[in-house]
Amino acid sequence: GAVVSQHPSWVICKSGTSVKIECRSLDFQATTMFWYRQFPKQSLMLMATSNEGSKATYEQGVEKDKFLINHASLTLSTLTVTSAHPEDSSFYICSARDSGGGNEKLFFGSGTQLSVL
Amino acid sequence: QKEVEQDPGPLSVPEGAIVSLNCTYSNSAFQYFMWYRQYSRKGPELLMYTYSSGNKEDGRFTAQVDKSSKYISLFIRDSQPSDSATYLCGATSGTYKYIFGTGTRLKVLA
Repeated sequence: GAVVSQHPSWVICKSGTSVKIECRSLDFQATTMFWYRQFPKQSLMLMATSNEGSKATYEQGVEKDKFLINHASLTLSTLTVTSAHPEDSSFYICSARDSGGGNEKLFFGSGTQLSVL
Repeated sequence: QKEVEQDPGPLSVPEGAIVSLNCTYSNSAFQYFMWYRQYSRKGPELLMYTYSSGNKEDGRFTAQVDKSSKYISLFIRDSQPSDSATYLCGATSGTYKYIFGTGTRLKVLA
């Protein structure tokens, strides 16, 4: 299956710093990528939809100035958590839509565990 | 009503058992259906993808879709302890919006 690479796998940072997470589709072009947040033993919570070359669409309640999303190419989307605080500690996962051949498959990255001290 | 409903479990079965995981959906526009397996602290892995009613088989896994009753299932044959994970069902109408169930936690006992 298609591969979506997400880095870093885990990051520890001090409160007030910014953290960037990268999501790359390795063998297909992804015009649309998604970012999720997941708390332990809970389901995926969609944060935003990232479209190549345009502004991201954020879900209700997600601060767009805090969670900056950039989708500058067909294979790369980044999520920057700005001025991170302990309450931002969570597991962040990206996914990329592979619509080649008329399919609508969605592939996920391996996730990033963020811990803010 | 959630667009995709899934029993959260947990579901415990002995090794070798046949596992049945189920979801229902309410949106008739959904045309594509997926099953994912997620291990703890990992991203979901796509197991099965289908866009038509009927069965699709891949190794020990069979995905079943019944569009008339809006019901999707995943069967795991000869379950193994390594199958212990959370299984997510998902659906989309192809309009960039993917809806997922809450996930069913499965534990296969050795």
